[in-house]
Amino acid sequence: EAEVAQSPRYKITEKSQAVAFWCDPISGHATLYWYRQILGQGPELLVQFQDESVVDDSQLPKDRFSAERLKGVDSTLKIQPAELGDSAMYLCASSRLAGVDQYFGPGTRLLVL
Amino acid sequence: KNEVEQSPQNLTAQEGEFITINCSYSVGISALHWLQQHPGGGIVSLFMLSSGKKKHGRLIATINIQEKHSSLHITASHPRDSAVYICAVIIGNTPLVFGKGTRLSVIA
Repeated sequence: EAEVAQSPRYKITEKSQAVAFWCDPISGHATLYWYRQILGQGPELLVQFQDESVVDDSQLPKDRFSAERLKGVDSTLKIQPAELGDSAMYLCASSRLAGVDQYFGPGTRLLVL
Repeated sequence: KNEVEQSPQNLTAQEGEFITINCSYSVGISALHWLQQHPGGGIVSLFMLSSGKKKHGRLIATINIQEKHSSLHITASHPRDSAVYICAVIIGNTPLVFGKGTRLSVIA
């Protein structure tokens, strides 16, 4: 069964360093989502892509976060510089179309020291 | 702004018990997800429903669109059901709006 792949699964970094997360959606899924989940909370959307275009990045802290999906397939989420408050689970999900069932990856757990 | 409220926040049950987790929301939706998140963090979609009832194994999900309410039931609960269960709603084509989750612990 096809799955959403994410790497790394865990990342420990020091504040002010740069980190990057990678997501490979299910083949054929045009919509890709990056979510951040702080411990004890539900996920919150950071950015949504439709193919290579950003559809919604209103909740993305653009001073330090960036996301790209250059060829409309896999995607990278970057944080530079990382801050202590960025410690969270970063989840990637994909769907064939926006508004239909989403499939989630295993997530990247980030710890900023 | 749509709010998604789940109850209870935490639930401890004995193995074999029937479990109900509730979700309510404040605006009209096109569909609702029930998701399961294990301690490792990965999320699995259990159900997506827009009306009525769905069943998969020991899991049953119901939704009442008029009352803006959904429930997730687990029959004959087992320790392996221990996880966080998250309700999320779809409004049109907008991204999912998530509840904060219900942490379930099933004790043998």
